[in-house]
Formats: sequence, structure tokens, C-alpha cells
Amino acid sequence: DAKTTQPPSMDCAEGRAANLPCNHSTISGNEYVYWYRQIHSQGPQYIIHGLKNNETNEMASLIITEDRKSSTLILPHATLRDTAVYYCIVRSSGNQFYFGTGTSLTVIP
Amino acid sequence: ETGVTQTPRHLVMGMTNKKSLKCEQHLGHNAMYWYKQSAKKPLELMFVYNFKEQTENNSVPSRFSPECPNSSHLFLHLHTLQPEDSALYLCASRVEQGASNQPQHFGDGTRLSIL
Repeated sequence: DAKTTQPPSMDCAEGRAANLPCNHSTISGNEYVYWYRQIHSQGPQYIIHGLKNNETNEMASLIITEDRKSSTLILPHATLRDTAVYYCIVRSSGNQFYFGTGTSLTVIP
Repeated sequence: ETGVTQTPRHLVMGMTNKKSLKCEQHLGHNAMYWYKQSAKKPLELMFVYNFKEQTENNSVPSRFSPECPNSSHLFLHLHTLQPEDSALYLCASRVEQGASNQPQHFGDGTRLSIL
């Protein structure tokens, strides 16, 4: 499975869009991109996933570049409750979801 | 509420004790997983069960013994643990079917402290 690179930390003002980048330059054609977040003392929460098309759900939007080497998770209107560690994961058909160290997002009032 | 319930949420035990962690999923999934999350480290996959059969054991010491009696329940039996085993133990489940791209869904974990 391709490994991912994320910035270790980011800040975002409350009410503004939070754009979290992820590089996955070694991704292969059948590997999906998944995003999870983990709030302190809780388990990882699934957010969204996609293969090559942009995806949107009630939590966030996922933008995948045309060459699929990077993606961006967008939280359109960040709230204080969105403060968490965000993980970008790339996997194919195996069992392993490799979480890495993620991006620690702090939403500032 | 993720549909994956873990009990207990917190556990303190001595190195000579025997205890078990329990995970139950109400999502109709057929694969279940145990992960370990130590402080400031990425999640480490420990065990995988598909349709009640263990399909992966990531070189986990024998003092951790998993059990999967059915597709909805997963246990992790613990005995003679070491202080370095103190961590958050997470259970996850998903639909495992061929080239399924379905995500894993996690419980909130059991925070284990070894004295």
C-alpha cells in the first residue's frame, strides 16, 4: 500500500474552511484514499473515501488531483468540535489501514 | 455511536492478572480487527478475523490471545502483560468481500494500564 505524507499540524479559524492536504505520490491505480479523524480519547472516526472522483458527504469533501498523487480534505465550516488528528490513508484490497501520524488540526475561536 | 462497542472503557491490571477485552459490532460486518495505539505512535494492527477465522497475526506476543466466537463479537484475552503493553486497544469492523473498498468502523477503545 502507498504511504502518505501529511503536515504534522495546522490551525484554522472557527467558521472558515479547513483544507487538509495529503501527498500519496506512489499510489497505484486500484488504491483508494480514506480519511479518518481521531478526537482525544476516542476511536478513529471514518470521514470519507474515494478512488479518483471528488466526493462529498455531510461531513466533508474530498478533492483528488487528476494524477491521484495528492488529495485535500475540506471541512467547509470548521467548528471547535472539529479539533482532532486527521489521518489520510491509502490502501488497496489488503486488511491493513496504515494510519501514520496524521495532521493535528486545531480550530481557533 | 459508531455501531462498534468496546468494554470496558478503562482497565487497570497487575502484571500477573488475567483479563479480557470485549468488542461487539451491530453493523452486520464480517471482518473484525484489533489495533494497539501507544502514546504518540501510529495505530498498530494486531489481529484480523474474516468470517470468524483469523487471517492475520502481526507478530503479536502470545500473552495476547484473540477469540472470535461469531461475526459480531471479538475478544482479546490478556495474561501476564508487561508495562509496555499499556495503551489504547481499538476494535474495528468492516465488510470484507473480495475487492471491497468499504471503510473500517472503530469503537472508542479500552484504555489499558499495567501496573
